[in-house]
Amino acid sequence: AQKITQTQPGMFVQEKEAVTLDCTYDTSDPSYGLFWYKQPSSGEMIFLIYQGSYDQQNATEGRYSLNFQKARKSANLVISASQLGDSAMYFCAMRPHTSGTYKYIFGTGTRLKVLA
Amino acid sequence: DSGVTQTPKHLITATGQRVTLRCSPRSGDLSVYWYQQSLDQGLQFLIHYYNGEERAKGNILERFSAQQFPDLHSELNLSSLELGDSALYFCASSVGTGGEKLFFGSGTQLSVL
Repeated sequence: AQKITQTQPGMFVQEKEAVTLDCTYDTSDPSYGLFWYKQPSSGEMIFLIYQGSYDQQNATEGRYSLNFQKARKSANLVISASQLGDSAMYFCAMRPHTSGTYKYIFGTGTRLKVLA
Repeated sequence: DSGVTQTPKHLITATGQRVTLRCSPRSGDLSVYWYQQSLDQGLQFLIHYYNGEERAKGNILERFSAQQFPDLHSELNLSSLELGDSALYFCASSVGTGGEKLFFGSGTQLSVL
């Protein structure tokens, strides 16, 4: 079965510190993409970062990096130097590259609260 | 602004009614996805259209239907509404064929009373 698991329903982090949000996935597809999205209280879904299963290096986008461990099937999001504006819901998602299917599967999310 | 437009932003209706949610994808995007987000179910994939054709179906109820028109906008029709259909409905678009990211609209908050 194809599944995304986010085991941390909620996390707290002190402003300016780094935080890691966990994500594990399950797929039998050899090729897939992994994504992280941020959902602030306003409700919109904002793309943060993407990692392809064949990418050799971990993806980085500004203060966001994706710690990709393929053998462990994990794709943790690391946010460095947390800011108050980082407080939001964070979703990990996967898109298996099964031929003809373009289904994105989302985890249940982790609510991050950044403390001043 | 993601470039994906969803209307209406809020919808309040009664049980048993029918509503239509509309989505205009980003210019050039051929794929449209519909997701339902409720408090207890997270983000649930409903359906995917690519260039007018249905490509994948998720946990979409038979009371729900969707289509993508020649101009690539999409509509999600929800009928015989129940209290449990209250949720935030997202439309997302992508270019279409690769592992590219989804661009989400701001969602339609549906409240069934």
